[in-house]
Amino acid sequence: SQQGEEDPQALSIQEGENATMNCSYKTSINNLQWYRQNSGRGLVHLILIRSNEREKHSGRLRVTLDTSKKSSSLLITASRAADTASYFCPRSSNTGNQFYFGTGTSLTVIP
Amino acid sequence: NAGVTQTPKFQVLKTGQSMTLQCAQDMNHEYMSWYRQDPGMGLRLIHYSVGAGITDQGEVPNGYNVSRSTTEDFPLRLLSAAPSQTSVYFCASSPDDNEQFFGPGTRLTVL
Repeated sequence: SQQGEEDPQALSIQEGENATMNCSYKTSINNLQWYRQNSGRGLVHLILIRSNEREKHSGRLRVTLDTSKKSSSLLITASRAADTASYFCPRSSNTGNQFYFGTGTSLTVIP
Repeated sequence: NAGVTQTPKFQVLKTGQSMTLQCAQDMNHEYMSWYRQDPGMGLRLIHYSVGAGITDQGEVPNGYNVSRSTTEDFPLRLLSAAPSQTSVYFCASSPDDNEQFFGPGTRLTVL
């Protein structure tokens, strides 16, 4: 499969705690992206990390990439109820024209 | 900018009927894609386009047709609706092989 595989499938934390979710993939990549989907809504792009980068930050988000292990992690610090959503790490094809999605990580932040 | 717009938001069809899901973007993006999202299945790529006049199949193209006569529009046609096509359909556009911008989705029920 060329899909990014998110882990865990579901995660429930208290507001204020940090949330960590992981993504694994099987083939080489040019970049890896993380998206968020709130219930019943379209997906929103969160962050992109290129294959030559190891870590990237955006606000409360921190993404790491380990190309030797073919894995990435997304850390959300000081979580809020509004962070409740599903998170995806689709992989792009070698040509960059196709994106493959896994089933995502469903995050619930309890107020 | 309106971004990516999809119409209709909801649609109910009877088996065998045909219809067109509309998708438009005003960002002058070359790449456009159609996905379907079933419960617990993540997003699956139906068809995609890398520019006006160019389309190609994704993971699950059977039962769907697309065309790209302009940069702005990328309609998805269901030729003969089947209950298995009950799903939420998302259109996305991208200026390159990086960030994708998603529309709000169309919820389709086939009876």
